[in-house]
Amino acid sequence: DTGVSQDPRHKITKRGQNVTFRCDPISEHNRLYWYRQTLGQGPEFLTYFQNEAQLEKSRLLSDRFSAERPKGSFSTLEIQRTEQGDSAMYLCASSLARRWLNTEAFFGQGTRLTVV
Amino acid sequence: QKEVEQDPGPLSVPEGAIVSLNCTYSNSAFQYFMWYRQYSRKGPELLMYTYSSGNKEDGRFTAQVDKSSKYISLFIRDSQPSDSATYLCAMSAIIQGAQKLVFGQGTRLTINP
Repeated sequence: DTGVSQDPRHKITKRGQNVTFRCDPISEHNRLYWYRQTLGQGPEFLTYFQNEAQLEKSRLLSDRFSAERPKGSFSTLEIQRTEQGDSAMYLCASSLARRWLNTEAFFGQGTRLTVV
Repeated sequence: QKEVEQDPGPLSVPEGAIVSLNCTYSNSAFQYFMWYRQYSRKGPELLMYTYSSGNKEDGRFTAQVDKSSKYISLFIRDSQPSDSATYLCAMSAIIQGAQKLVFGQGTRLTINP
């Protein structure tokens, strides 16, 4: 499968615990995005990377959230001290951007987080 | 007011019907318009991708953009039960070089056999 891969697909955690999600983008895609989707809503932008540089963060990304893309390939999203309001689907997407080319974003299957 | 408004439905139509899905937006900076299909508990899948006003057709799907009215539509002809899903409109402006997408709420569509 050469699409965007996310792991785990599901995560149940107790309030206050830390969780980490992983995203492997499509090979050669230099842009990687994180979105959050709650039930009955469309995805909301959280942050994006151009290669290893994190270039923009939404105000939705509180201090408890941190994202990394250390080698410009896979990315991790960590949530510290989880709260029930963090329960959502966390979606990763990737795209390729060059001077004369900018592809659309392809999404992974998401990681569904439930905080109990 | 949200930047992108989409009727959440649910919308239920018989098989073979023509389906019309719509979104309105308020940000004039949006230049790229997309429709995604999302099956239950799956990630969004890109259906149509358009730039500027006009129509774009792909098989049974037609995307329409009217930038003067800030209104986009997706038409599905000869609808099939397999088209049952949530349809999300998405838009972007080039901000800092990234196509950061702003999504509508999604319309839940059911095609009845």
